[in-house]
Amino acid sequence: QVQLVQSGAEVKKPGASVKVSCKASGYTFTGYYMHWVRQAPGQGLEWMGRINPNSGGTNYAQKFQGRVTMTRDTSISTAYMELSRLRSDDTAVYYCARDQQLVPWGQGTLVTVSS
Amino acid sequence: EIVLTQSPATLSLSPGERATLSCRASQSVSSYLAWYQQKPGQAPRLLIYDASNRATGIPARFSGSGSGTDFTLTISSLEPEDFAVYYCQQRSNSITFGQGTRLEIK
Repeated sequence: QVQLVQSGAEVKKPGASVKVSCKASGYTFTGYYMHWVRQAPGQGLEWMGRINPNSGGTNYAQKFQGRVTMTRDTSISTAYMELSRLRSDDTAVYYCARDQQLVPWGQGTLVTVSS
Repeated sequence: EIVLTQSPATLSLSPGERATLSCRASQSVSSYLAWYQQKPGQAPRLLIYDASNRATGIPARFSGSGSGTDFTLTISSLEPEDFAVYYCQQRSNSITFGQGTRLEIK
């Protein structure tokens, strides 16, 4: 079955970077865009951007331009999201989700930014 | 950026009742609107895509309607497991989400 499995929780200090992985299985990895969405504690969903695993092309939400980098490794069917210059308000659960229909979603990765 | 406004913010109903959730877009999104359900501690789950198409495995009590700027998610008869937060999302121009409607047990 189609499945997305994300890396584990991270604790980072302000100013640091974090890289979250999303391993895909059950389908052709290069056939579908991968999106990244985050959710701060008790808040709603916020789209961060997407990557075309076939070409590596990316589209980022304006809010994250210059701070986010999405990459992929097709040999292991894994997408990555790196967020730099972390601030306390970047504390959130980060999700990957497949395709424009955003289905399925990964289980989420909690990133805590704290000094 | 297309802003999606969901109403009401909270809806209090009893099992067996009908739920009607609204999503209004700041400009037309055609039919490129989806609905998601999220329960505490879980990732969102796709319910409806392209305004009115149920996703795989979604019960028939969930239905979506609308086009342009006004959309509705209807749950015909609430089951206990339906009490959750619901988000609408557009993909007409980039991707944005509504702020959510919390469906709680009355």
